Amino acid sequence: NAGVTQTPKFRILKIGQSMTLQCTQDMNHNYMYWYRQDPGMGLKLIYYSVGAGITDKGEVPNGYNVSRSTTEDFPLRLELAAPSQTSVYFCASSYIDEQFFGPGTRLTVL
Amino acid sequence: DQQVKQNSPSLSVQEGRISILNCDYTNSMFDYFLWYKKYPAEGPTFLISISSIKDKNEDGRFTVFLNKSAKHLSLHIVPSQPGDSAVYFCAAKDSGNTGKLIFGQGTTLQVKP
Repeated sequence: NAGVTQTPKFRILKIGQSMTLQCTQDMNHNYMYWYRQDPGMGLKLIYYSVGAGITDKGEVPNGYNVSRSTTEDFPLRLELAAPSQTSVYFCASSYIDEQFFGPGTRLTVL
Repeated sequence: DQQVKQNSPSLSVQEGRISILNCDYTNSMFDYFLWYKKYPAEGPTFLISISSIKDKNEDGRFTVFLNKSAKHLSLHIVPSQPGDSAVYFCAAKDSGNTGKLIFGQGTTLQVKP
């Protein structure tokens, strides 16, 4: 049981490039979430999903897109990367209340 | 407007003593509260939670207290151990069915041997 896995662990992008952060969970959770954490700050919700085919914006969705075609996978797409998107990104999943987090992806945009 | 606040960015305690981490919230619709612990280069891990219908929940060395009238919760760690050194996040869940959590900024706890 791997829990929540994220790839890649680290990535450096140039301004204007795009990439997809992968997230997979094997706990059959309906709910999945993407957060970003900036230095000295808490986790800010980017997008979330309450089930396959259903996604919605969180607190900071601008510059990102998501899809949820299966229960297991919840990829986060960055289009036209900007330095403001330099952050650590965490994916999480939950059944009811407690969220389980992946190890994170550290992204730098130069 | 920050709905969940942890006003102490850091806390340092001696091994064996009590650590008290505090959290304040503004939204009375929050019905469930959680504490997460985070080590560097890892994702947050769930520590303990409390429902809004309770005022205390205990799990081993960890106890969470909820004061709804003050919109305040606290995490007590007794006795503190060096392995408890980490960033602690308070989180609140609203009463909707999205499961969304609102996180505080975190408190870095250092337990000195």
